[in-house]
Amino acid sequence: GAVVSQHPSRVICKSGTSVKIECRSLDFQATTMFWYRQFPKQSLMLMATSNEGSKATYEQGVEKDKFLINHASLTLSTLTVTSAHPEDSSFYICSARDGSSYGYTFGSGTRLTVV
Amino acid sequence: GENVEQHPSTLSVQEGDSAVIKCTYSDSASNYFPWYKQELGKRPQLIIDIRSNVGEKKDQRIAVTLNKTAKHFSLHITETQPEDSAVYFCAASIEDYKLSFGAGTTVTVRA
Repeated sequence: GAVVSQHPSRVICKSGTSVKIECRSLDFQATTMFWYRQFPKQSLMLMATSNEGSKATYEQGVEKDKFLINHASLTLSTLTVTSAHPEDSSFYICSARDGSSYGYTFGSGTRLTVV
Repeated sequence: GENVEQHPSTLSVQEGDSAVIKCTYSDSASNYFPWYKQELGKRPQLIIDIRSNVGEKKDQRIAVTLNKTAKHFSLHITETQPEDSAVYFCAASIEDYKLSFGAGTTVTVRA
């Protein structure tokens, strides 16, 4: 079946630094990928929709200059958390349409801890 | 945008009993309704989905029903087992656009 690989699975960074998270579709082409953030015991909140070759579409309240999204190819989307702060600590997870009828495949998630 | 509400937030059932989770959605244009199971620290796993041209779908112990008129859909798990304990999320989307998730239901199956 469709596989989405996400790296890193865990990352600890210092406040003020930037962290890049990668999301790759391994066996299919993904023109659209979605980035979610999930705080403990809460639901998945969509941050942005990543479109290959064009600018990402951000949800209301999500700072596009802080959460930089790049979708340079049909198999890779990246999320960069810039100038990270402790409140950015969360579980970040990507998903992609796998080409089947309305099927979505999720990455394994990235646990970000900002200290 | 789409608003998905999910109830209950927690559900505790005795092993072997049934569990039912209900969701409502706001956008009548939504036509795809997946259910996900998520274990702690893991990715959501699709367990069943339904499209708006179908009223009910079943896969072994899991079934989903959809009422488009009332804009609600439900997940039914029969003969629950301890391994069914997890957080379950409903979601809704229009065509191939973004998923809107419910708040989640923490299901605990008591042995």
